[in-house]
Amino acid sequence: DAGVTQSPTHLIKTRGQQVTLRCSPKSGHDTVSWYQQALGQGPQFIFQYYEEEERQRGNFPDRFSGHQFPNYSSELNVNALLLGDSALYLCASSDLAGSYEQYFGPGTRLTVT
Amino acid sequence: QKEVEQNSGPLSVPEGAIASLNCTYSDRGSQSFFWYRQYSGKSPELIMSIYSNGDKEDGRFTAQLNKASQYVSLLIRDSQPSDSATYLCAVSRQGAQKLVFGQGTRLTINP
Repeated sequence: DAGVTQSPTHLIKTRGQQVTLRCSPKSGHDTVSWYQQALGQGPQFIFQYYEEEERQRGNFPDRFSGHQFPNYSSELNVNALLLGDSALYLCASSDLAGSYEQYFGPGTRLTVT
Repeated sequence: QKEVEQNSGPLSVPEGAIASLNCTYSDRGSQSFFWYRQYSGKSPELIMSIYSNGDKEDGRFTAQLNKASQYVSLLIRDSQPSDSATYLCAVSRQGAQKLVFGQGTRLTINP
């Protein structure tokens, strides 16, 4: 049973650039949530996608956008990168009609220089 | 006031003892409660979920929920060095909605 996968594992970008992170949910899951985790902090909710629509959004600026594809995979896009965007970006998948549990992928470590 | 509060630790416990981790939350509408374990440099791993008041046991782990006191705890019995990690408490209002996390408690099990 394939778990949640994310790519790339690590990424280094320059301030002002744009980045796209990718996530494939666990088999049988239809909902994808994205979180940002700064060093020493708990993850912060960015947004959640279900049926290719943004279902919920956290307190993040419009520079953060996302997309969900018909196969339930998802992308997180961040424009005009700031130094403060350096963090671990986590994707979590869940089954909206089933268990409330969310399972995390390995994450993408983004460094903005 | 933070929505979910945990003692950041570090909490140091001798091997074989019981480790007790605590979490309080401010949103009375919270309905689902989770404990995640996160090893250094890794992503969070779900270890317990609890939805009703009382205790829920799974192997060496017991989660306790008291909605009236807005308090969740995790007990780890017979602590092992491999239990050394950061433990994150997370709550959500309803269903598979957004998780709100505490900052985590760093636990160290001393051999």
